[in-house]
Amino acid sequence: QKEVEQNSGPLSVPEGAIASLNCTYSDRGSQSFFWYRQYSGKSPELIMSIYSNGDKEDGRFTAQLNKASQYVSLLIRDSQPSDSATYLCAVTRTGGGNKLTFGTGTQLKVEL
Amino acid sequence: GAVVSQHPSWVICKSGTSVKIECRSLDFQATTMFWYRQFPKQSLMLMATSNEGSKATYEQGVEKDKFLINHASLTLSTLTVTSAHPEDSSFYICSAKDRDSNQPQHFGDGTRLSIL
Repeated sequence: QKEVEQNSGPLSVPEGAIASLNCTYSDRGSQSFFWYRQYSGKSPELIMSIYSNGDKEDGRFTAQLNKASQYVSLLIRDSQPSDSATYLCAVTRTGGGNKLTFGTGTQLKVEL
Repeated sequence: GAVVSQHPSWVICKSGTSVKIECRSLDFQATTMFWYRQFPKQSLMLMATSNEGSKATYEQGVEKDKFLINHASLTLSTLTVTSAHPEDSSFYICSAKDRDSNQPQHFGDGTRLSIL
């Protein structure tokens, strides 16, 4: 079982729709959760971080964390073509020395 | 904001060459830097954790004698790929953790390495 799992996609949504990206993790010692956006050929860019159960909103982005279900999601409202990228879920664990464990990423395509 | 500078951005060289990649934190001090490798259509895989003034900690399966890491100061870590071969061709990315902040790692722009 992979430590961090994501559906590789591609996930296609029309412009203006809500994109929903999901991630599950296996280590119950995971303490911090991050969503990164990576354009082709570029390094990851931090979109959202979430540390406690519930929702966290930042502009068009909402991260949701459910530690009991070991599940974290990212919602992108009013999706734009510029949101087309690969979204990487990453976690750190307690006592892990800030090491990030990445999922394989979900490719999002926002279509005109 | 915190900036991590990574150089070079791309390298093309012959098989057997050693290649050095630099990672600098420009406006913060980083006691810990991380080196990742990413093959096409795959996720980032942590290669090693670099701690200032001490030996790097390598992940399982990463050859420490092939991938030499030096973290001599609080703002600079280097990764040297020794005797590189075509299978070492990849996208190498560094990140740095601000010593004085609880913010997550800041990533460099990556180095695309192509070995002919």
